[in-house]
Amino acid sequence: EDQVTQSPEALRLQEGESSSLNCSYTVSGLRGLFWYRQDPGKGPEFLFTLYSAGEEKEKERLKATLTKKESFLHITAPKPEDSATYLCAVTRGANSKLTFGKGITLSVRP
Amino acid sequence: DGGITQSPKYLFRKEGQNVTLSCEQNLNHDAMYWYRQDPGQGLRLIYYSQIVNDFQKGDIAEGYSVSREKKESFPLTVTSAQKNPTAFYLCATRGGGQLNTGELFFGEGSRLTVL
Repeated sequence: EDQVTQSPEALRLQEGESSSLNCSYTVSGLRGLFWYRQDPGKGPEFLFTLYSAGEEKEKERLKATLTKKESFLHITAPKPEDSATYLCAVTRGANSKLTFGKGITLSVRP
Repeated sequence: DGGITQSPKYLFRKEGQNVTLSCEQNLNHDAMYWYRQDPGQGLRLIYYSQIVNDFQKGDIAEGYSVSREKKESFPLTVTSAQKNPTAFYLCATRGGGQLNTGELFFGEGSRLTVL
């Protein structure tokens, strides 16, 4: 059974304090790992797809990386508007279901 | 604008009543999904459909039903058999063929509260 574990459950940062969110996974034949951002009361918003170990993707202050066992979402110099829950998910194939982690709630204080 | 529309955004139901949540998309995506989200838990798959007139049970289908009569629409009925229906419900789509890069795109969600 595919498993996704995200840590920590919650993270509080000061504005400008860089950090990383972790997503560890166990899946037979990873075909894709996804990061989403979810604001309270909203649907998840797609951020990144990573397909193979060593791959990196960036968007503004966010950078996602992937190894054979885990993915990191690095947040550089975060701002209060980066406060949200970040979800990680994995899939075995383009038409296979996604398995989600429980999410990491990030709070950035001004 | 292209997107996924879920309605209603908030819904209150008395115990014993069935309710139907609407999901409409104009992205021309083949696959549609329903997830349930509870506090402190990951998204759990209820039902999914990869083509019109066909759908499959997900991990927690008991107490739910769906239909897929049109490509654009995938309504979810929460029946009185669902023991803990209070939750946030999310509809998602995924493109087919060259549009399919694996990721899902989500609607804004519907929050169901059973009184």
